[in-house]
Amino acid sequence: KQEVTQIPAALSVPEGENLVLNCSFTDSAIYNLQWFRQDPGKGLTSLLLIQSSQREQTSGRLNASLDKSSGRSTLYIAASQPGDSATYLCAVRLSFGNEKLTFGTGTRLTIIP
Amino acid sequence: NAGVTQTPKFRVLKTGQSMTLLCAQDMNHEYMYWYRQDPGMGLRLIHYSVGEGTTAKGEVPDGYNVSRLKKQNFLLGLESAAPSQTSVYFCASSYPRSDRNTGELFFGEGSRLTVL
Repeated sequence: KQEVTQIPAALSVPEGENLVLNCSFTDSAIYNLQWFRQDPGKGLTSLLLIQSSQREQTSGRLNASLDKSSGRSTLYIAASQPGDSATYLCAVRLSFGNEKLTFGTGTRLTIIP
Repeated sequence: NAGVTQTPKFRVLKTGQSMTLLCAQDMNHEYMYWYRQDPGMGLRLIHYSVGEGTTAKGEVPDGYNVSRLKKQNFLLGLESAAPSQTSVYFCASSYPRSDRNTGELFFGEGSRLTVL
């Protein structure tokens, strides 16, 4: 059974710092991995999606990497801003036809002005 | 474009009551999903649909029913609500995965349900 872990559960960093969020999964035979952002009381917003054949994806100040062999993905946020404060979740899909995403419980990020 | 819209956003039920959550999407997506989010747990898939007139069970389907009579709408029903169904419910939609499409999910803002 696929399990997805995000450690730490909460993280606070000063504004302007670069930071890395972690996502670990137990079954390395994934189809893709997706990073989401969730603001309090809101839905999930897709940030980046990495296919199993890719090593990384970039969007603006965000860079997500994938290492299937070690069962890890990281989300790198450059030059953090207070507006980046949110909960960040990762989710993995095991196979092409599998509609079930396995979600981590997220890391709650607070950027201190 | 409104994206994915869920109604109602909040609802309080008594045990045994029934209700329906409505999800509407205007992106012409084939696939639609219902998830629940509980504290300390990742989102869990309840039911999903890969097209109009189709539904399938997800990870935690018991106590819920769904219908997809129109492509743009996906309804989640609770026939006899239980306190264990207190949760935040999220609807999502996507295009089917293909060479041209990653199957990225788009989520609604959630419906907070409390069962007393």
